[in-house]
Amino acid sequence: QKEVEQDPGPLSVPEGAIVSLNCTYSNSAFQYFMWYRQYSRKGPELLMYTYSSGNKEDGRFTAQVDKSSKYISLFIRDSQPSDSATYLCAMVNAGKSTFGDGTTLTVKP
Amino acid sequence: GAVVSQHPSRVICKSGTSVKIECRSLDFQATTMFWYRQFPKQSLMLMATSNEGSKATYEQGVEKDKFLINHASLTLSTLTVTSAHPEDSSFYICSAPIAGEYEQYFGPGTRLTVT
Repeated sequence: QKEVEQDPGPLSVPEGAIVSLNCTYSNSAFQYFMWYRQYSRKGPELLMYTYSSGNKEDGRFTAQVDKSSKYISLFIRDSQPSDSATYLCAMVNAGKSTFGDGTTLTVKP
Repeated sequence: GAVVSQHPSRVICKSGTSVKIECRSLDFQATTMFWYRQFPKQSLMLMATSNEGSKATYEQGVEKDKFLINHASLTLSTLTVTSAHPEDSSFYICSAPIAGEYEQYFGPGTRLTVT
């Protein structure tokens, strides 16, 4: 069993939709919870990170962590075609990151 | 934010040759850098942790004699794929954290194709 499981997708939504991306994890030692966005043939870029249960908001993006359930989510409001990318969750323990397999999102105009 | 560069961005080489990929932190010092491999539509697989001034730490199943890592300075790590074979074709990405932070800054990746 993988330490980090990510909803596989792909997801295709109309512009303006609310998108929910989800990951579960099994290692309770993970300290930081990250969301990266990766465009095709590019390196990942960090969107948000959090370290405690609860919600963290940044513009149209909200990261949610539930440590009791070992579940994290990224919500995108008012999705735009420019949000089309692969989204990777990552969990950090002792400086080392473990990534989910990614969810590919397409936002159609 | 911090910038990490990789060179080359794409390389095509013949089977049996060696290829060197450079990873540089442009505006910060990195005592640690990470090397990942990514297959199409798959996630990043950590290959090794590069440590400035000491040997790299390889993940289980990664051949250290095939994937040579040298962390020559606080801003440069290199990955050399020796005696490359077609199955080594992949997208190689490096990353570096800033000391005291948990965020990793990723390079743009290097697409290696072995013919």
